[in-house]
Formats: sequence, structure tokens, C-alpha cells
Amino acid sequence: GQQLNQSPQSMFIQEGEDVSMNCTSSSIFNTWLWYKQEPGEGPVLLIALYKAGELTSNGRLTAQFGITRKDSFLNISASIPSDVGIYFCAGLYGQNFVFGPGTRLSVLP
Amino acid sequence: DSGVTQTPKHLITATGQRVTLRCSPRSGDLSVYWYQQSLDQGLQFLIQYYNGEERAKGNILERFSAQQFPDLHSELNLSSLELGDSALYFCASSSNKRQSYTFGSGTRLTVV
Repeated sequence: GQQLNQSPQSMFIQEGEDVSMNCTSSSIFNTWLWYKQEPGEGPVLLIALYKAGELTSNGRLTAQFGITRKDSFLNISASIPSDVGIYFCAGLYGQNFVFGPGTRLSVLP
Repeated sequence: DSGVTQTPKHLITATGQRVTLRCSPRSGDLSVYWYQQSLDQGLQFLIQYYNGEERAKGNILERFSAQQFPDLHSELNLSSLELGDSALYFCASSSNKRQSYTFGSGTRLTVV
């Protein structure tokens, strides 16, 4: 099946730093989603991207739909402790979404 | 509250037993998806139902089965449980437009 790669796998950053993570594939996707999962909870949708090249912000979060349609990027500016969690990307392939393995973010005070 | 309701929130049971996890999708959503998430792992797709019919199957064991009822709620049945089945089980739902999935808060299953 289709596979998404996320990097980095995990990251430890200092509070106040900016964060960048990405999601790549060898296949073309028509929609990209970014989810955040906090410990013991279900993933919550952060940003949805529907067009190649689209750049969308949600507060301190900004995500981009890559022009090749094979990748997407998520940036978090001025990180805070509550940004801790696992960030999943998901790409729409055919009629269903494929999820990446996640990037685990830890924020050190 | 995402609108997707999963019960129970926690479940502890012994090996060899059978359990049923329940999911009520968001109002108006016809598709239900089940995922398994083991400790520190990603989301493993198990199975999808659309308006009562099975639509897609992922890495679902033969010991596991699911169904979606006329009122659109879904149940995931896990039988002959093993220690390795301990995990978080998530249900998600989506509408016909399929522009995103909405997840429930999950059922944490512990097999002892």
C-alpha cells in the first residue's frame, strides 16, 4: 500500500524555539492533513490542505502542501510546553487517508 | 468533544477472553474506521465500514471482527485475546466528502 514517511521521528526542543517537520511519499496525494495526538487521547485535526502549493496557518502552526503533491510540511513557531505530543500527517490516496508514523515532539522548559 | 463517542474508555480483561468495543460516529457521518495503536507506535488501520457495509480492510487479525449497524454505530469484536492485543483502539468517522477524519478518544484495552 501507499506509505508516508515522517521526519524527524522524534525531537526535543527548548521552549520558545521554532519546530519544523515534514511528511514525504513516493506517491501523489490529493489532500494532506496534520493531526496532533496528546497522551491517552485521540488525534485531533490541526490543519487540512487541499491544493498543491497551499499554505495554511492555524495560530502558531503553519502547514504547506508541497508543489509536487508528494510532501507536506508543518512548522510550529515559538513552541510552548502544551505543544508536546505526536504529530501525524495523513494523505488522501484514492478514497481513504494514509497515516504517517508520526513525529514525537518534546518541549523542554 | 469531537462528536465521535467510544465506549468503554478503559477495559481490562484476561487472555483468551472476548471483548466488544463500541463507536458512535459524528452525526451525519456514514463512514467508520477502526485503528489500533500499540505503545509508542503509529496508527494501524484495521477496517472501514460505510453505511453498514465493509469497505476496506487493513491489518486486521482473523480473531478480530467488526460491523456497522443500521443506526451507523459500529462495534469491534476482539476474541481469544492475547497479551499483545493490549493497545489503544480508535474509531474515526468521516462524511461523504471525506475531507478529513474525526477521531474518538479511544478505548484502552489491557490484556492480563
